[in-house]
Amino acid sequence: VQLQESGPGLVKPSETLSLTCAVSNDSITRNYHWGWIRQPPGKGLEWIGDIYYSGNTFYTPSLKSRVTISIDTSKNQFSLKLTSVTAADTAMYYCARRLIVAGGWFDPWGQGTLVTVSS
Amino acid sequence: DIQLTQSPSFLSASVGDRVTITCRASQGISGYLAWYQQKPGQPPKVLIYDASTLQSGVPSRFSGSGSGTEFTLTVSSLQPEDLATYYCQQLITYPLTFGGGTKVEIK
Repeated sequence: VQLQESGPGLVKPSETLSLTCAVSNDSITRNYHWGWIRQPPGKGLEWIGDIYYSGNTFYTPSLKSRVTISIDTSKNQFSLKLTSVTAADTAMYYCARRLIVAGGWFDPWGQGTLVTVSS
Repeated sequence: DIQLTQSPSFLSASVGDRVTITCRASQGISGYLAWYQQKPGQPPKVLIYDASTLQSGVPSRFSGSGSGTEFTLTVSSLQPEDLATYYCQQLITYPLTFGGGTKVEIK
């Protein structure tokens, strides 16, 4: 299975960040969660949220008011939207797959896409 | 939210050294902990899941232990290719959280 993030590398402050993760060699409707994780330059990892193919979503509380994760089973991909971005949202954004078992871990990860928020 | 505290945040060791990284959880997480390795310029890669299960393909010099609130990642004999930052992650409850990371330097 391979995951590949895509989307604009530059977003203006107050606008919406939109990214897509294309899944290949696996069906997005299988028993997995599909997640987004981000990493500001030189800093640690932050889980953003997960989605199951049924559409059930889980978000980190600090971003919940601004984030939407959606899934498109016809295209075998899932997406991230983050509204009202600021410079603090500048980060490498990763998508990853997570087993639906107790304690399911993220594997594999996409290569990541760097999003810079700047005017 | 469950907080994960990793220590040390940085360590420098020689090739062949035994290295141990600790991850402490703010509340019990049973064994639902994973360890990831992130080499410079690469995405993280899972090394250990369920606190102590070695992911397929990961060298046997890596091992994990612990349960409840205290966990360790051990590298039995550090190799040059182990230069990386290591993260723990709890997977028992949302929001999923990561430790702050441990950067490992080779002397």
